Parts: sequence; structure tokens; C-alpha cells
Amino acid sequence: AQSVAQPEDQVNVAEGNPLTVKCTYSVSGNPYLFWYVQYPNRGLQFLLKYITGDNLVKGSYGFEAEFNKSQTSFHLKKPSALVSDSALYFCAVRDQTGANNLFFGTGTRLTVIP
Amino acid sequence: NAGVTQTPKFRILKIGQSMTLQCAQDMNHNYMYWYRQDPGMGLKLIYYSVGAGITDKGEVPNGYNVSRSTTEDFPLRLELAAPSQTSVYFCASSLEGTSGDTQYFGPGTRLTVL
Repeated sequence: AQSVAQPEDQVNVAEGNPLTVKCTYSVSGNPYLFWYVQYPNRGLQFLLKYITGDNLVKGSYGFEAEFNKSQTSFHLKKPSALVSDSALYFCAVRDQTGANNLFFGTGTRLTVIP
Repeated sequence: NAGVTQTPKFRILKIGQSMTLQCAQDMNHNYMYWYRQDPGMGLKLIYYSVGAGITDKGEVPNGYNVSRSTTEDFPLRLELAAPSQTSVYFCASSLEGTSGDTQYFGPGTRLTVL
């Protein structure tokens, strides 16, 4: 069965500093991994995904994620955090059975401190 | 291009009442999904559809029903509302439902059952 884990409920970072939001995964086949962001009272917005190929994936709003097969991780990163990056971030893995739905982690709340 | 739209945004129901959550997409996507998001949890799949006339259960289908008469619309029906159904409901769609396909989410419906 597919699953993802986000070990940190909350991450605080100072504006201008690099940020990392952690995600580890468990899959029985090839991993298809996604990051979404949720702003208050809004739906989930797609940031980026890993399907195959380059281990460093670039996405929206300056975010990137590093796929590490040996550590089964897919951490979200940004070189310089903005206050507007403060939101709830979800890692997800694709179900590779009939539904092809996403299994989500519990989310990490990122707060960027001015 | 509105993407995925959901109505209503908020609703309060009494125990035993019924209601339909509406979802529509204008991207001509074949796959549509309903998720619920409980506090401190990731999203869980309720039902999904691979095309008009075809629906199937997800991880947490009890207490819900769906139909898919057109490609665009995927309503979710609650027949006898219970407090356990208090949640935020998200509709999503994707073009083909393949492993690398991106799901796009609506803004959500916040439902409270009292």
C-alpha cells in the first residue's frame, strides 16, 4: 500500500532563509509524488510532481523538491522564504491501483517569520 | 476557464438532513474525485469517477452517494447527515487518471452537522 509521512506538523523559518518541508514515502512500485499547498480557506494548489527522471524537480513559486530513492524521501525546498509562503503543505503519493487517487500526508504548517 | 468549482462554500445541517454538494469542472477531464479533509489529517478519498456513468468507492464511502451523468458534473449526496460528516469536502479532477496526471482541486465546501 502507498503512504506518505510528514514528520513535522509545524515548521518556522525566518524570511529570506532557506526552507525545507520533509516528506517520506512508502510504495510498492515506482513512486509518483506530489506537493500541494493550501492557503487559509482555499483549495489545494498544485506545486510540483516527480514522475521520473531528474531527482531535482522545479515547481511553482520558486519551490523545488529533491527525490531521494535510497532515503525514500521527497523534501520540498525553497532557497529564500517569503512571508507569503506561509501556508499548509501536503505531500501526496499516487495510488497505482484502480482509483489512481492521491494518498496525502497529514500536512505541515509553514510559518515564515518577518 | 474556471477550473473546478464547488457550491456551496459553507453549510450547516441538522442531524438526519440531506444535501447535495455540487462540483463542476470545465477542463474536459475524465476523472473526478471527492475527498474529505478532517482537522489535522490529510485528505481521504470518498468516491471517484473515471467518466460519465461510471463511479466507484474510495477509502471512506459510507454515508455518501455520487452520480456522474455528464463529464462536467460530479455531485456528492449526503442522505442522513451525522456529526461524523462534519468536515471540509474537496472535489478534484484530472485528465486521464494516469499515474503522472495532476489532480486539480476546487475551493472546498465546509460542512458542519449539528
